[in-house]
Amino acid sequence: SQKIEQNSEALNIQEGKTATLTCNYTNYSPAYLQWYRQDPGRGPVFLLLIRENEKEKRKERLKVTFDTTLKQSLFHITASQPADSATYLCAPLSGGYNKLIFGAGTRLAVHP
Amino acid sequence: DSGVTQTPKHLITATGQRVTLRCSPRSGDLSVYWYQQSLDQGLQFLIQYYNGEERAKGNILERFSAQQFPDLHSELNLSSLELGDSALYFCASSVRDVYTEAFFGQGTRLTVV
Repeated sequence: SQKIEQNSEALNIQEGKTATLTCNYTNYSPAYLQWYRQDPGRGPVFLLLIRENEKEKRKERLKVTFDTTLKQSLFHITASQPADSATYLCAPLSGGYNKLIFGAGTRLAVHP
Repeated sequence: DSGVTQTPKHLITATGQRVTLRCSPRSGDLSVYWYQQSLDQGLQFLIQYYNGEERAKGNILERFSAQQFPDLHSELNLSSLELGDSALYFCASSVRDVYTEAFFGQGTRLTVV
């Protein structure tokens, strides 16, 4: 069955450093991959969508890569700030597969 | 503000009861999704509607049902409630399908006592 894996352990980093979060998937070949941010008790907020032919996408301090060979997406936050502390969710999406399903998320804590 | 409205924000009810959660999608959005998030757990996909029709189903219990009305608002009905149904229930909407950005509501916090 299809599986989405995100590092369940919290990622603790120092302010100003680059945070790198990983999303691995198995048993399917997504054509798109979305990343969302979720704060405690709040609904997720969309950050970026990357297509399989894009390899890399940037938005301000955010960068997402998509390696269909490794079946992996990396999410980078450069010059991280305490306000970036949240849980980050990935959602790989196959063409024609209509379920918007998320990984369990990785909690990021940025310390001053 | 995402533009997705969920009511009520909080709901406390007893075991065995039935409740209805309501979701108004963003203006123009045709797809509505429902999710359950238990304490410190991930988002569990329940069901998706597109323009009034069921499009995809997740691990939704038989005690739960949903529908999307002609005006595109959606309702999630939970019956024979159990303590384990206590969770945050989120609704999301998107313009077209899963390949477009989804906007989430603030959620309904359901507590079953």
